[in-house]
This record gives sequence, C-alpha cells and structure tokens, in this order.
Amino acid sequence: DGGITQSPKYLFRKEGQNVTLSCEQNLNHDAMYWYRQDPGQGLRLIYYSQIVNDFQKGDIAEGYSVSREKKESFPLTVTSAQKNPTAFYLCASSIGPATEAFFGQGTRLTVV
Amino acid sequence: EDKVVQSPLSLVVHEGDTVTLNCSYEVTNFRSLLWYKQEKKAPTFLFMLTSSGIEKKSGRLSSILDKKELFSILNITATQTGDSAVYLCAVDYGGSQGNLIFGKGTKLSVKP
Repeated sequence: DGGITQSPKYLFRKEGQNVTLSCEQNLNHDAMYWYRQDPGQGLRLIYYSQIVNDFQKGDIAEGYSVSREKKESFPLTVTSAQKNPTAFYLCASSIGPATEAFFGQGTRLTVV
Repeated sequence: EDKVVQSPLSLVVHEGDTVTLNCSYEVTNFRSLLWYKQEKKAPTFLFMLTSSGIEKKSGRLSSILDKKELFSILNITATQTGDSAVYLCAVDYGGSQGNLIFGKGTKLSVKP
C-alpha cells in the first residue's frame, strides 16, 4: 500500500543525546515536511524539502537538522541543542505546492 | 504576520447535533484552505477549498470558503461519536517558509 511511514512510534531520549526520527514515503511525492505538535499549539513547521538534496528551514528549525538524500526519505535529527524536544512529531508529503499533504502516524518523543 | 485562527477551541455536543467549526485567516498570497481530521495520530485530509462560495461536500461533512471575509466553515450534520476528533484548518499561502500554516485546531467531542 502507498503511504508515509514514521518510526519509531515512541522514542525516549536522555538529555544531551541526539536522536533521529525516520520518515519514508512511497507515494512518489517531491515535497516532504516535518511538523511539531504541542498541546494547544497546532502544527508548526520545522523543515521542509521540495526536492532531493534541497531543504529549507521552517518556523522552528533551531535544534533540528534534516537530510534529503533520497526522494523517499526525509529523516529528522533532534539535537541536544533543542531545549524542549518533548513533543509529537509529524512527517508529511505532497505532490507539490497547492496540493494536499499526507501525514504519517507520528513519533512521540519524550526526554527523560 | 500570517496567521490562521480556529474557533471554538473545543466543543462538546450530543449525537445527532449539527456543529459548525470556524477558521479565519490572514495570509499573503493565499492559494487554498484545507481541512484535516485528526483522531489519534495522523491527520487525514477532508477538503481543499480554493474558490469562494463553492461548497465541498462529503457525506455529513461540508465546507465553504469566503475569500472576501477570509474565513471558512466546516459543518457536520447528524454528528456521531466517530466524529470526535481534532479538526485542523490549514492555509496554503505559497510562501518561502513551506506551504501550510495551521490553526490550533478545534477539539470536537460527541457524546452518546
């Protein structure tokens, strides 16, 4: 089945550690996105990529990094520089601008 | 500053009621407005609206856009417990900072 897959579903991180969240899609979409969702805050854009080997910062990119080496994959690294990383992270993809985005099931990251 | 505001933030109704969810926006370079339903994890796409006054309908759900007054409404008739979810409104503004800006969502609870 075509879709977008995030892993893991739950992730626990110790303070000072970097962790990487996986996002894979087999929809042949050019555009991919990472959002952060906090209670009462809606979705906020962390990074987005419109094409392989290119990505742009979103509204809250500090403390995060991404790569887009393959069209299907857009991993997000939460670095130790991110001061408040506990949140629900959603990855999405779309054919391109002005089209609907499809979301993965999300990864819930907790700092312990 | 571009923004999307949803109201109410939460709503409790009983099965069979009709509800109206609101989304107002202030963005430059508006391209489209999208509605998503988020039950547990992944938001699922409901509607994309680009033209004023043209109602989009899917079963008991319908939505309409007013580009003059800069708002959209999502109507749900004969609500069911399965309609309980967070409904997200997003605006595609075609900006350089990614494509979508999300509202904070409306949490709908439908009681039996």
